Amino acid sequence: NAGVTQTPKFRVLKTGQSMTLLCAQDMNHEYMYWYRQDPGMGLRLIHYSVGEGTTAKGEVPDGYNVSRLKKQNFLLGLESAAPSQTSVYFCASSGYRAGRFFFGQGTRLTVV
Amino acid sequence: DAKTTQPNSMESNEEEPVHLPCNHSTISGTDYIHWYRQLPSQGPEYVIHGLTSNVNNRMASLAIAEDRKSSTLILHRATLRDAAVYYCILRAPENNNNDMRFGAGTRLTVKP
Repeated sequence: NAGVTQTPKFRVLKTGQSMTLLCAQDMNHEYMYWYRQDPGMGLRLIHYSVGEGTTAKGEVPDGYNVSRLKKQNFLLGLESAAPSQTSVYFCASSGYRAGRFFFGQGTRLTVV
Repeated sequence: DAKTTQPNSMESNEEEPVHLPCNHSTISGTDYIHWYRQLPSQGPEYVIHGLTSNVNNRMASLAIAEDRKSSTLILHRATLRDAAVYYCILRAPENNNNDMRFGAGTRLTVKP
């Protein structure tokens, strides 16, 4: 039982490049989330999904897109990376309302 | 979701108990009190949660005030591995989005 797995763990991008971060969970959870954490700061919610085929904006959605085509996967896309998107990205999932969250180990992204 | 207030930082000595406070004076009757922690360079991990009664698990205890306007996370014997940022978060079952917003948390330092 792997829980929540993020791919890749590290990535360096050049300004203007695009990439997709993959989050996979094997717990059959309905709810999935993408957060970013800047150095010395708390986590901020980017986008989330309350079920397969649904997505919604969080606190800081600009510059990101998401898709949830399969229940177990939640993809975060950067169409044109900017240095301001340098951060650690965490994915999380939850099985029910007010239930505990399970987090991935994070993706450290640097945009130069 | 109702807001919580935590001290920015706390210090403890190794092998001594630690009491981490959280104020949530605007908590509603159905809000669950969740605690997460984030170890250095890792994703947040679930610690404990409760509604009205005190709760115990292998990691910690949660003491909830009778009026539910405050709670305390208790680590019975702090170890160096418990040095982390601890987040107190209220979760409402009526929240259709089931999202979780993080505050600044309490940074716990454990001295040997």
